This record gives sequence, structure tokens and C-alpha cells, in this order.
Amino acid sequence: GESVGLHLPTLSVQEGDNSIINCAYSNSASDYFIWYKQESGKGPQFIIDIRSNMDKRQGQRVTVLLNKTVKHLSLQIAATQPGDSAVYFCAERNAGGTSYGKLTFGQGTILTVHP
Amino acid sequence: SQTIHQWPATLVQPVGSPLSLECTVEGTSNPNLYWYRQAAGRGLQLLFYSVGIGQISSEVPQNLSASRPQDRQFILSSKKLLLSDSGFYLCAWSGQVNTEAFFGQGTRLTVV
Repeated sequence: GESVGLHLPTLSVQEGDNSIINCAYSNSASDYFIWYKQESGKGPQFIIDIRSNMDKRQGQRVTVLLNKTVKHLSLQIAATQPGDSAVYFCAERNAGGTSYGKLTFGQGTILTVHP
Repeated sequence: SQTIHQWPATLVQPVGSPLSLECTVEGTSNPNLYWYRQAAGRGLQLLFYSVGIGQISSEVPQNLSASRPQDRQFILSSKKLLLSDSGFYLCAWSGQVNTEAFFGQGTRLTVV
């Protein structure tokens, strides 16, 4: 669910390291998940998505893992670069009922990459 | 291609004044539309979402309202702003099935 009242957790890494950002989602009826990157003062930008019939999807330097059993989503960034510094959010899409199509964001994580 | 426009980019309003933020989408039809608010250093809070004209779901009790007078127009309003309404407001759209949401550039609202 939403944890919008909390300060965001932070993750600090060195340039070149791999980063793993985690997200717990709330709705077992969600069937589509997205990772977004938000830079300061801008709207979130799409990074990668995954459907609930998959457990892993890879993009360019990024991998998303989905564990439906424990309702957990992770984003792995390989060879992290200073330009990856941003806030990262996961989002889930509600698949049924009166809330069909509703997109809800999880708690974000502030990623800081040190040169 | 699809685009989303949100304005204004920044806004400073006195307490008790009205508010109207507008968001329009081009290049698609029958989108899902969303208004989010983000306090500084915090997460995204879903305020309203709409699956069609005149269909608005409110997610949290608040001083704001939303309307969708046309298929691709989503308006966020308030009759009297409170200090606590300050924040970064984001409009977004998505397709009706499993597609990502696309965000506008946001409006930084400061209530003084």
C-alpha cells in the first residue's frame, strides 16, 4: 500500500556497483507492475514493467524480479552510474473489481551513486 | 504520439483562495487519468483516478476535488486552499489494460 507519510529509505552505492531496490506491494489481485525513476522536480519516468505471469524481466542494465508468494518486487541496476541517482518507485495495477486499472505507488527509495 | 500537458509548472496561492489545475492528454482516447500529490522527500499519494468521462474515484478525504469534463481533460480543484495543500501535483494517464502510466511534468503548488 501507500506509505506516503514516511520519509523515503535511502540506498548509497559506489559507481560501478550493482544496486538492488526492493518494494513490497499490497494487493494480491494486482497483475501488472512497473518501476519508475524520478529525478528532482520532474515527473516519474518508466524504467521497466512486468506482468504477474512472469517472475523476471530484463532490460538494458536493469532487471525486475517478482515474487508473488510474498508480494515482493525488486529492481536490480547493473554497473550503477551517477546518472542513476534518483528516487525509484514501484507501482502496481489493480486487476479487478471496482478498482480495475487503478495504479498505486509503493514507497520510494532514494538511490545515491557516489563517483 | 501521445503527449500529456499539465499546467502551470509553479503556482503560489494564498490560503483560502481557489485552485484549478488542468491536465490534457493528446494522441489517445479513453485513457485512465490520475492525480497524485507528492510532499517534499515523500512518496506519491493517489488523490483521484478516472476511467471515463464523469467517473471520478477519490482515494483520500481531502480539501480537493476532481472533474473530467472531456475524455482527455482532467481538472483538480479546490474552493479554499489550506496550507497543507502545498506540494507537487502530478497528472498521469494510462491505457485501459496493462500499460505503463505516463506523467506530466508536475505543478509545484505553494500555499502561503
